[in-house]
Amino acid sequence: AQSVTQPDIHITVSEGASLELRCNYSYGATPYLFWYVQSPGQGLQLLLKYFSGDTLVQGIKGFEAEFKRSQSSFNLRKPSVHWSDAAEYFCAVGASNYGQNFVFGPGTRLSVLP
Amino acid sequence: EAGVTQFPSHSVIEKGQTVTLRCDPISGHDNLYWYRRVMGKEIKFLLHFVKESKQDESGMPNNRFLAERTGGTYSTLKVQPAELEDSGVYFCASSGQGRNEQFFGPGTRLTVL
Repeated sequence: AQSVTQPDIHITVSEGASLELRCNYSYGATPYLFWYVQSPGQGLQLLLKYFSGDTLVQGIKGFEAEFKRSQSSFNLRKPSVHWSDAAEYFCAVGASNYGQNFVFGPGTRLSVLP
Repeated sequence: EAGVTQFPSHSVIEKGQTVTLRCDPISGHDNLYWYRRVMGKEIKFLLHFVKESKQDESGMPNNRFLAERTGGTYSTLKVQPAELEDSGVYFCASSGQGRNEQFFGPGTRLTVL
């Protein structure tokens, strides 16, 4: 069965510091991987996605993620965090077959100190 | 292009009452999904429509939940009768034909007292 783990429930970083949010998945085939962000009062916004090709993918708002098949990981990174990045971040895995539902991780809540 | 919209944004009802949530997908998107997040837990899949047909409803928790998508446009999710454990945020998402990227709505926060 597919599963996604995000080991960190809550992370606090200072503004300007670097950030890495961890995501590990379990999936029997080639996964499609996504990171979504939910800011307070907002819906889920897609940050970036990995389908195939270059394992380092760039997303919006200065985020990037690296797919490592050997580690079953898809960690999200940002070199310098802004206060507006405070939100909840979700990693999700989808099947390569079109139209399959997503399996989400439990989410990581990011707090940013001024 | 308008995104996925959901109505209402919040709903507070008493146990035993009925609530209907609505989702309007992005225009032209054949695929429509319902997910929910119960407090403190993961976002879980409920069901998937392709146009007006239910493609996969394996995530529906029980027969108190009824989803419809008449005409293949908007969808409704009815909970009848609502129980305390139904409280949470209900998300709707849509995707285009042949595309795996899902666009999510803002969610409906349901509170059952």
